[in-house]
Amino acid sequence: NAGVTQTPKFRVLKTGQSMTLLCAQDMNHEYMYWYRQDPGMGLRLIHYSVGEGTTAKGEVPDGYNVSRLKKQNFLLGLESAAPSQTSVYFCASSSRVGLTYEQYFGPGTRLTVT
Amino acid sequence: QKEVEQDPGPLSVPEGAIVSLNCTYSNSAFQYFMWYRQYSRKGPELLMYTYSSGNKEDGRFTAQVDKSSKYISLFIRDSQPSDSATYLCAMRRVAAGNKLTFGGGTRVLVKP
Repeated sequence: NAGVTQTPKFRVLKTGQSMTLLCAQDMNHEYMYWYRQDPGMGLRLIHYSVGEGTTAKGEVPDGYNVSRLKKQNFLLGLESAAPSQTSVYFCASSSRVGLTYEQYFGPGTRLTVT
Repeated sequence: QKEVEQDPGPLSVPEGAIVSLNCTYSNSAFQYFMWYRQYSRKGPELLMYTYSSGNKEDGRFTAQVDKSSKYISLFIRDSQPSDSATYLCAMRRVAAGNKLTFGGGTRVLVKP
């Protein structure tokens, strides 16, 4: 099992450009999440999904859009990138079975917006 | 004020020492408490999970929760250089379903 994979690993954008980050999981998890991690800020939830075709806003959703057309994939879009979106982006997934909702994380995407 | 506070460190200790990490939180509704370990340029991975108050031990790791003080701790005994990483606490409210609230993380360096 590959677990959670993210594409691309690195990206540099210019202000105003758009891009899509792809997350894929092979654990048949119902829940998927997108976080951003900035120094000293920990992980902040951008958007999440509790199932195929559903999405919901997290703590910091402005400037981002998401889609979950297939259960195994969760896409994060930046329509018009801003320097404030320079960050490391992590995707995660979890099962709805059990109490822990343990989240499994991908390796991250390092995004720089100039 | 953040819901979950964590000293960013770095915390530098010699090999074999006990590492003591902690988080404080403000929301008494948090019931599930977790510690994640994150190596440099990697994604976080779950290390310990505790429900409500009490202690939990797993090998060299001990997690403690004191809900009356809104304070959680992680202790690493006989620390090894391979324990060098950032440790993130995370918490979940029952009503929040699957959503976690993370602390900012503490960077730990274990020197040989």
